[in-house]
Amino acid sequence: GAGVSQSPSNKVTEKGKDVELRCDPISGHTALYWYRQSLGQGLEFLIYFQGNSAPDKSGLPSDRFSAERTGGSVSTLTIQRTQQEDSAVYLCASSFDQRLAGTTGELFFGEGSRLTVL
Amino acid sequence: AQSVTQLDSQVPVFEEAPVELRCNYSSSVSVYLFWYVQYPNQGLQLLLKYLSGSTLVKGINGFEAEFNKSQTSFHLRKPSVHISDTAEYFCAVILASGGSYIPTFGRGTSLIVHP
Repeated sequence: GAGVSQSPSNKVTEKGKDVELRCDPISGHTALYWYRQSLGQGLEFLIYFQGNSAPDKSGLPSDRFSAERTGGSVSTLTIQRTQQEDSAVYLCASSFDQRLAGTTGELFFGEGSRLTVL
Repeated sequence: AQSVTQLDSQVPVFEEAPVELRCNYSSSVSVYLFWYVQYPNQGLQLLLKYLSGSTLVKGINGFEAEFNKSQTSFHLRKPSVHISDTAEYFCAVILASGGSYIPTFGRGTSLIVHP
């Protein structure tokens, strides 16, 4: 498809289990972002990729969270030993390289992966 | 570091009434400003953006916003809302220089349009 695709759309897991969330960005977009959306908390930045490298991992809340991007395309966010406070909607977005003049601004978001930790 | 404040978590309004959603930012350097909208069960999509030039920016669906540098604000307005405008609205900021160009988002304002 033409948009950002995320899977699964819904994931229910038990506390302590590992989960993987996948993001397939728009073809040609070199930048990829992960955000977490919790009720009443807005969008919390997690990590940013430019190509396959992650120059900014400052938002990852703990070492249980990790992410990778391969081939400058698909990205996977992994949460190990999930906790109830990890329950949220995880949003992925992609864009052209924002550092290039004329491309600043628009991020294209997927519909998110809703994670529920019981 | 930059930050974004959306003072109103929820704004109820009647159909065809005007609406203003407030956004203030904090930054010691120049910024780029954005409004995104999130309809129920959908991803965010860009409404409008301010990069430079005219401080009054027009976006999709009849929305507009005005950049006020002295008040560090970027309020979103629409003269007459429709039921279909019911959604979550997010203000965002990017540092114009020296930064990573990663948007910082506000907490969002839920616009609820009543018939």
